[in-house]
Order: sequence, then C-alpha cells, then structure tokens
Amino acid sequence: AQTVTQSQPEMSVQEAETVTLSCTYDTSESNYYLFWYKQPPSRQMILVIRQEAYKQQNATENRFSVNFQKAAKSFSLKISDSQLGDTAMYFCAFMKTGNNNDMRFGAGTRLTVKP
Amino acid sequence: NAGVTQTPKFQVLKTGQSMTLQCAQDMNHEYMSWYRQDPGMGLRLIHYSVGAGITDQGEVPNGYNVSRSTTEDFPLRLLSAAPSQTSVYFCASTSGTSIEQFFGPGTRLTVL
Repeated sequence: AQTVTQSQPEMSVQEAETVTLSCTYDTSESNYYLFWYKQPPSRQMILVIRQEAYKQQNATENRFSVNFQKAAKSFSLKISDSQLGDTAMYFCAFMKTGNNNDMRFGAGTRLTVKP
Repeated sequence: NAGVTQTPKFQVLKTGQSMTLQCAQDMNHEYMSWYRQDPGMGLRLIHYSVGAGITDQGEVPNGYNVSRSTTEDFPLRLLSAAPSQTSVYFCASTSGTSIEQFFGPGTRLTVL
C-alpha cells in the first residue's frame, strides 16, 4: 500500500519570503502522479501543482515549484514570494497511474503567512 | 458549470440515525469518489465509482453504502450513524482521460 508522510504539522513564513513544505512517500510502483493541494479555511480543495513520475523536470506553476527526487521518494513544495492568501492547509497526495479514483493523502501541513 | 456540488453543508445526527449525503457533478465525469477528512489525517477514500452502475470499496468503507444510478449523482448513505463517523466528507469527480480530481465543498457531519 502507498503511504504519504508530511513531517511538518505546522509552518510559518513572513510575507514575501520563501518556504518549503516536505513530503515523502512509499510505493513499489514505477508509474504514478504526485500532487499538492491547498485547503484554505473555506475547506475547498484546490490543486496547486502536479508531477508525473516519468518526467524528470520539476513542475512549476507561477510562485509554486516542486523538488521531485524519485529515488529518494521525496516531493517537496516551494512557495516563493509568500502571500497572505497562501495561508492554508497543504496536502501532498499520491495516485497510481491508471487508478484515477484512488488518491492517497498525507496528513497535511498548516502554513501561516505572517504580515 | 456548477462543478461538484454537495448537500447538505452541515448535518448533526444522533447515534443510530440514517442519512444520505448528496453529491452531483455536471461535467459528465465517469469517475466519482467519496473521501472523509479527520483532524490530523489526510483525506481517506471511502467508496468510488468508475461509471453508472459500478461501485467499489476504498480504504475505509465500513458503515457506508453507495450507488451510482446516473453519471451525475453519487450519494453516500450512512445506515446507522456512529460517533466515529463524525468527519468532513468530500465528494470528487474526474474524467477517464484526466488525472485531476475536482472536489466538492464538503459536508461537515457530527454524530452525537
């Protein structure tokens, strides 16, 4: 079974600074996808960024980028130029290729951006 | 498009009561799923469906039933609610050609 571990329950960062959230996962699969979701106080789950395991290039979406280390089974999220609106819970998630229903989530990291 | 909608937003039940959480999507997605979110834990898969008439169990299926009579709707039934089912429930959908899951706004359920 796949497991996803987020070892930082809470983090904080000053506005405009950079923060990195950690995620590790355990799987015997070679083809899979990794995701970061943001959950603000509204509870809505919002996809931040995704990475296909077969791609060596790290995904980027504006101020969000990942550091994907497949051999180490590590998938960290870097948020640059942090904004107050980035305050939220962040979840790392894993999904096997070909199984679009079964997404496994980490326990989450609560990020607070301070003015 | 309304996307994925869930009703109700909040619900309080007594132990032993039954209820149905509603989920609907208007994107013609084949895949639909139900997750529960508990404090200190990520979302966990309860049941899922790959199309009308087809459902299967996820990671934590006990105490829940589902059915999928149409592509649009995927209700989750609690037959006899227990305090351990106090949680926030999310419905999600995705197409067979995409990996992105679209989540509903969630239902906060409290069982006393």
